[in-house]
Amino acid sequence: EVQLVESGGGLVKPGGSLRLSCVTSGFTFSDAWMTWVRQAPGEGLEWVGRVKGKAYDFTRDYAAPVKGRFRILRDDSKNTLYLQMSSLKTEDTAVYYCTVGLGNSDNDYWGQGTLVTVSS
Amino acid sequence: DIVMTQSPDSLAVSLGERATINCKSSQSVLYSSNNKNYLAWFQQKPGQPPKLLIYWASTRESGVPDRFSGSGFGTDFTLTISSLQAEDVAVYYCQQYYSTPPAFGQGTKVEIK
Repeated sequence: EVQLVESGGGLVKPGGSLRLSCVTSGFTFSDAWMTWVRQAPGEGLEWVGRVKGKAYDFTRDYAAPVKGRFRILRDDSKNTLYLQMSSLKTEDTAVYYCTVGLGNSDNDYWGQGTLVTVSS
Repeated sequence: DIVMTQSPDSLAVSLGERATINCKSSQSVLYSSNNKNYLAWFQQKPGQPPKLLIYWASTRESGVPDRFSGSGFGTDFTLTISSLQAEDVAVYYCQQYYSTPPAFGQGTKVEIK
């Protein structure tokens, strides 16, 4: 059974940093395409960024609003995905979901999400 | 970047009636080498994460009721719920995964009339 469990959300001041984690199980992590998607309160889904699997040299891509501020990291020894966020802005306030693509779509399975609130 | 536009933004349908949601991409998401449309549909119920319903535009994910169907190719796609049930109240999103960034539509809220 595929499982994705996010953690690390919380309240942070503008300009601050935060690291989210996503612990995974139930699939071969090193082969999987892992994605972060966020959803601001009452809004739709926004793609944040993705790291491809080993066969694609773990290539990373980021959405324009977060490029240069967010980094996606993966620890294959722990089957864990991270989202390192810095220079946070109020508009980064959202629930952040970790997702995995296993060959059908980019987001075959989703975690429950973790809430990040950026406010002074 | 490909832009995804859904219509309508919301719709109210009577129980047992058909619900139809449209999704249009600003560029084709059909990959000619494998003849697959890189288009997925997701369902998000209140307070829950999204769930994959349909991939490759028309393939139903395992466990998804057969009242859900996807159709279309190229730039125009449709999600149909053939007989709306109370548990189908949700927001539905389309997403293209043909190119980066893999954009979502703005969502369509489905309610009971």
